[in-house]
Amino acid sequence: KQEVTQIPAALSVPEGENLVLNCSFTDSAIYNLQWFRQDPGKGLTSLLLIQSSQREQTSGRLNASLDKSSGRSTLYIAASQPGDSATYLCAVEGGSYIPTFGRGTSLIVHP
Amino acid sequence: EAGVVQSPRYKIIEKKQPVAFWCNPISGHNTLYWYRQNLGQGPELLIRYENEEAVDDSQLPKDRFSAERLKGVDSTLKIQPAELGDSAVYLCASSLDSTVRSGNTIYFGEGSWLTVV
Repeated sequence: KQEVTQIPAALSVPEGENLVLNCSFTDSAIYNLQWFRQDPGKGLTSLLLIQSSQREQTSGRLNASLDKSSGRSTLYIAASQPGDSATYLCAVEGGSYIPTFGRGTSLIVHP
Repeated sequence: EAGVVQSPRYKIIEKKQPVAFWCNPISGHNTLYWYRQNLGQGPELLIRYENEEAVDDSQLPKDRFSAERLKGVDSTLKIQPAELGDSAVYLCASSLDSTVRSGNTIYFGEGSWLTVV
């Protein structure tokens, strides 16, 4: 059974810092890895999707990388802003077709 | 283009009462998921539909939970009777086709927040 772990569980940083969120998974036979953002009281918003054949994806100040062999992905946020405050979740999808989620990293960016 | 629509957004019920949640996925999306998310946890899959067929419901507590997807479009998730431990957010999501092995972006609704008292 796929297990997804996200470290750290919580992070508080001053505005302007570059930061890295980590996601690890136990079964490297995945097809996709997707990063989501969840604001309080809201659903999940897709940020980036990395296919198994890709190494990274970029969108604006966000960059996600994937290393299948080591079972790891990182989400890099450049020049963080208070509006980036949210919970970030990663989900991996493998042969079972079931996207499996981590517990998320709760990020606070303070002015 | 409209996103995934869920209703109701919030529901408070007494234990042993029934409750139902409705989901309208993005038009043209074949795959529909129901997830449950407890506070501080990641979402956990309850059931996945490919068109109108439930292809993975192993995590659905079938003694009290039921789901259907009429004509492969809208879906309803029902709990009867509700228990205190069912308090959670019930998230509906859709994607074009989960059997496509790559690039299957998943889109979520805002969720239905259930409190059982």
